Amino acid sequence: GQQLNQSPQSMFIQEGEDVSMNCTSSSIFNTWLWYKQDPGEGPVLLIALYKAGELTSNGRLTAQFGITRKDSFLNISASIPSDVGIYFCAGPPNAGNNRKLIWGLGTSLAVNP
Amino acid sequence: NAGVTQTPKFQVLKTGQSMTLQCAQDMNHEYMSWYRQDPGMGLRLIHYSVGAGITDQGEVPNGYNVSRSTTEDFPLRLLSAAPSQTSVYFCASSVNRGDTQYFGPGTRLTVL
Repeated sequence: GQQLNQSPQSMFIQEGEDVSMNCTSSSIFNTWLWYKQDPGEGPVLLIALYKAGELTSNGRLTAQFGITRKDSFLNISASIPSDVGIYFCAGPPNAGNNRKLIWGLGTSLAVNP
Repeated sequence: NAGVTQTPKFQVLKTGQSMTLQCAQDMNHEYMSWYRQDPGMGLRLIHYSVGAGITDQGEVPNGYNVSRSTTEDFPLRLLSAAPSQTSVYFCASSVNRGDTQYFGPGTRLTVL
């Protein structure tokens, strides 16, 4: 079935560093969603992107909808310990009309204080 | 609004036992779904519902049943628990399929 490829799979960084992660697909997407899952909790939506080229920020987080509509990027600036968690990308592919949400496997982020 | 609620938060079962994981949402969402999350596997869709009275299978439906008698509730039943069903289970809801999903806090299930 369709898949979203997230990279990197995991990251271990020092507090204060910037973080970049991305999500790619072989299909065109109309929407890209970025979620964060804190340890022991359910995923929570961080940013939603609806238009190719769109750049949206939420505090220290910035996400971009790739021009090709086959990728998206999430950046975190000046990381802090509470940024620890798993970051997921998701979206409904453009093909077909069932609008099934496809999920990446996640990027696990660890921050060393 | 409580959002999406799930009970229980933790559960231990013996192989062969049955149980129901509860999920409720108070946002009047039409779409509800169940996922399981295992290390390295991401979120895998078990079953979903696009409205009351309508359910369908996801990627990994075997061993699970669902029903949707009301808009608010979407219980997940394990018919005969197996160790392979040890996982964290998340319920989610959205206005419609493909829209932003809101997740519950999860149920951590261990099958011995």
